[in-house]
Amino acid sequence: QVQLQESGPGLVKPSGTLSLTCSVSTDSISTYYWGWVRQTPGKGLDWIGYIHYSGNTNYNPSLRSRVTISLDTSKKELSLKLTSVTAADTAVYYCAGGFYNTVDYWGQGTLVTVSS
Amino acid sequence: DIQMTQSPSSLSASIGDRVTFTCQASHDINKYLNWYQQKPGKAPKLVIYEASHLKTGVPSRFSGSGSGTHFTFTIDSLQPEDIAKYYCQQYENLPLTFGGGTKLEIK
Repeated sequence: QVQLQESGPGLVKPSGTLSLTCSVSTDSISTYYWGWVRQTPGKGLDWIGYIHYSGNTNYNPSLRSRVTISLDTSKKELSLKLTSVTAADTAVYYCAGGFYNTVDYWGQGTLVTVSS
Repeated sequence: DIQMTQSPSSLSASIGDRVTFTCQASHDINKYLNWYQQKPGKAPKLVIYEASHLKTGVPSRFSGSGSGTHFTFTIDSLQPEDIAKYYCQQYENLPLTFGGGTKLEIK
């Protein structure tokens, strides 16, 4: 059984850094890939990237220059940092887990608005 | 990136109907396609993986087919709890990409 819970500020200023944390409740943290997916009304679902227990990461090239995903296995905590945000980064951000190709587990999602 | 195009964008049907909608990939993705169901205010939920395999616990009225660039999602005998938006997602190549979704409504 896997449970994911996102947390973090719901409002970020333009040009600032979006930082989110996800608590990963599972005994199988080394089995899966963990990452983030965001959803905007206009663009739909957008894969941000993932990280494996081994440290292997993969990011969406459209965000690669601005995004960092990290995994603290001792705390069972997944993190997302997205720098230089604009209004286009306003979205519901989902913490996600599964095999590298599939999202089997989703958090409830957290809305982040970029606005001054 | 591989572009995924879903049609129609919305579909109205009656309870008990058989409904079908499609997903088209911009490149050959073999059978590397998943389908998700998303109800309002909730996270998506995996329904079908590898084009035609039903995830454990998903009702058998759901099915998927296709390979290459053309895929189909079918619900036999639509139920009220099936009202949702459905998304396809390819995993032939990174980045993983999703279709724009098909919104299913009750007629």
